[in-house]
Amino acid sequence: EILLTQSPGTLSLSPGERATLSCRASESVSSKSLVWYQQKLGQAPRLLIYGASNRATGIPDRFSGSGSGTDFTLTISRLEPEDFAVYYCQQYGSSPTFGQGTKVEIK
Amino acid sequence: EVQLEESGGGLVQTGGSLRLSCTASGFTFSAHWMHWVRQAPGKGLVWVSRINRDGMNTPYADSVKGRFTISRDNAKNTLYLQMNSLRAEDTALYYCVRDKYYDTTGSNAFDVWGQGTMVTVAS
Repeated sequence: EILLTQSPGTLSLSPGERATLSCRASESVSSKSLVWYQQKLGQAPRLLIYGASNRATGIPDRFSGSGSGTDFTLTISRLEPEDFAVYYCQQYGSSPTFGQGTKVEIK
Repeated sequence: EVQLEESGGGLVQTGGSLRLSCTASGFTFSAHWMHWVRQAPGKGLVWVSRINRDGMNTPYADSVKGRFTISRDNAKNTLYLQMNSLRAEDTALYYCVRDKYYDTTGSNAFDVWGQGTMVTVAS
């Protein structure tokens, strides 16, 4: 099973700041298989990024994904109030796994 | 509007059974692989199982293999999860999820999620 480790566990930032979230895999992952989701409190997750760097339908361009191999990054260029949430990375393999999540909270 | 609506959750005793259903609307259900994903209270997301379009390929997470069975009825636009021999650690919110394949990139992702149905296993 491929393990995904997200860091930091919690990111405390102010609106307008840049957020950089990391996702590290226990072994190399195809970029096609790396996905990012956002989950707000009490809501279902929402797809943000697929194939490591492709924004899903309706996702603002302040969200971007990058990386390859074992290291992937989700960047939010300027945090809006609605971006404070928990973010999960996922590897979509034969047995999909998720990271443990990074909480982006208001500082 | 594309929607997934889960039902069938509830309180069950250890060792008991429960059958979850997920009704799809607003899209061609038979054209998509489907998944169940669960989330224990205050915890992260855990993939449970997947089913391909004709129901013939159904991988499971090791934690549920041999106890849970995923199935689908394309005529009824419905996904199921039969859960047997339930344990306390199966307590979670169970999400029904649509799989989307992006042919431009050769990627898959979970693009539509239901609101979930809560399963509580108590001794």
